[in-house]
Amino acid sequence: DVKVTQSSRYLVKRTGEKVFLECVQDMDHENMFWYRQDPGLGLRLIYFSYDVKMKEKGDIPEGYSVSREKKERFSLILESASTNQTSMYLCASRTGYAGNTIYFGEGSWLTVV
Amino acid sequence: DAKTTQPTSMDCAEGRAANLPCNHSTISGNEYVYWYRQIHSQGPQYIIHGLKNNETNEMASLIITEDRKSSTLILPHATLRDTAVYYCIVSYSGNTGKLIFGQGTTLQVKP
Repeated sequence: DVKVTQSSRYLVKRTGEKVFLECVQDMDHENMFWYRQDPGLGLRLIYFSYDVKMKEKGDIPEGYSVSREKKERFSLILESASTNQTSMYLCASRTGYAGNTIYFGEGSWLTVV
Repeated sequence: DAKTTQPTSMDCAEGRAANLPCNHSTISGNEYVYWYRQIHSQGPQYIIHGLKNNETNEMASLIITEDRKSSTLILPHATLRDTAVYYCIVSYSGNTGKLIFGQGTTLQVKP
């Protein structure tokens, strides 16, 4: 089975801390995505990567950066966590080919206090 | 990237068909329509996707209008476990296509 694994299911961090959220997929997918999900706002795209070392901003990139040094791994970085970044973060991946299925991880619940 | 519009919420009686509409009037010729659902606290679950023909699998059917500006997801015999938020997504088929989610439809299946 295809798997998208997010390293941490639940995290609690302090304001100002640097936070890393890791995502690994095992299907050699070209595209990987990071979303955040908040009540009433649905899923909002933060960043996506269409290849190693390639990235593109989504709708809400402010306060976040990403890293994709290897094809299977896509990291979301909060340089200085703030309380308004408390949210559920979802990673997804897919191949770059037409009509492919998109696979999601189980989500990481981040609380910034 | 095309965006989608869905009703905020819908109810359906258990055992009846649930028909969830999605408007994607700005879809372009090479964009696919995907449907996902999400049960609270879990990652979205794939349901079905299509380009222009109607599609059916063990979970659902997808009806895409001829002009491709809208689609309907059909759950033929809804159960209480189908209560979830359903997302319709339009995605460019190429390598650099973003995935843009709408607000989704909260489907409540009632006994």
